[in-house]
Amino acid sequence: GAGVSQSPSNKVTEKGKDVELRCDPISGHTALYWYRQSLGQGLEFLIYFQGNSAPDKSGLPSDRFSAERTGGSVSTLTIQRTQQEDSAVYLCASSLGGGGRVETQYFGPGTRLLVL
Amino acid sequence: QKEVEQNSGPLSVPEGAIASLNCTYSDRGSQSFFWYRQYSGKSPELIMFIYSNGDKEDGRFTAQLNKASQYVSLLIRDSQPSDSATYLCAVKRDNAGNMLTFGGGTRLMVKP
Repeated sequence: GAGVSQSPSNKVTEKGKDVELRCDPISGHTALYWYRQSLGQGLEFLIYFQGNSAPDKSGLPSDRFSAERTGGSVSTLTIQRTQQEDSAVYLCASSLGGGGRVETQYFGPGTRLLVL
Repeated sequence: QKEVEQNSGPLSVPEGAIASLNCTYSDRGSQSFFWYRQYSGKSPELIMFIYSNGDKEDGRFTAQLNKASQYVSLLIRDSQPSDSATYLCAVKRDNAGNMLTFGGGTRLMVKP
């Protein structure tokens, strides 16, 4: 029904702990994207899923970051051994995935992660 | 050189004026261009897209695309204080699947 949903909306964790962020895309959207946005900065691409194809992981900043998408729908972004520089807003977006010129991405509300 | 560049601003305009936001891109194979608006603390929302050279109007918003010069702009007529936000330019490149490349955004401030 509604738009892209993300949970939790806010997450505070201690340095060194692992965190999982969840994204539920718009129903019927085959493409799903994760971005990171630090305070006052632009969007940093992390990873892109398209249908059943292997994901494009070219934006992941280190091997502490991983993501999966189960059943072609819900996606989980995992950050292991969190560091303070991981603090940011993590945004998820989805799109139809048809590959047309107008492939509009719709964003979720984001998860605000603070690593103490 | 960044793939998509925007002046970070802030761009300050008086209420009722025309705000002009510019974006340049480096990949000549870029197909489509999107403008997103992001209010502070909120997620980006699509304003409009354009893929043909020229102007495209939607209400108070006009997107302009010039592929030869590799720039795209967004004009906001009769600017309102509620238009104060960061405007993100995004580009869909020819060889990047469905991915968008975002610029850093321009912060617009409309003063009453």
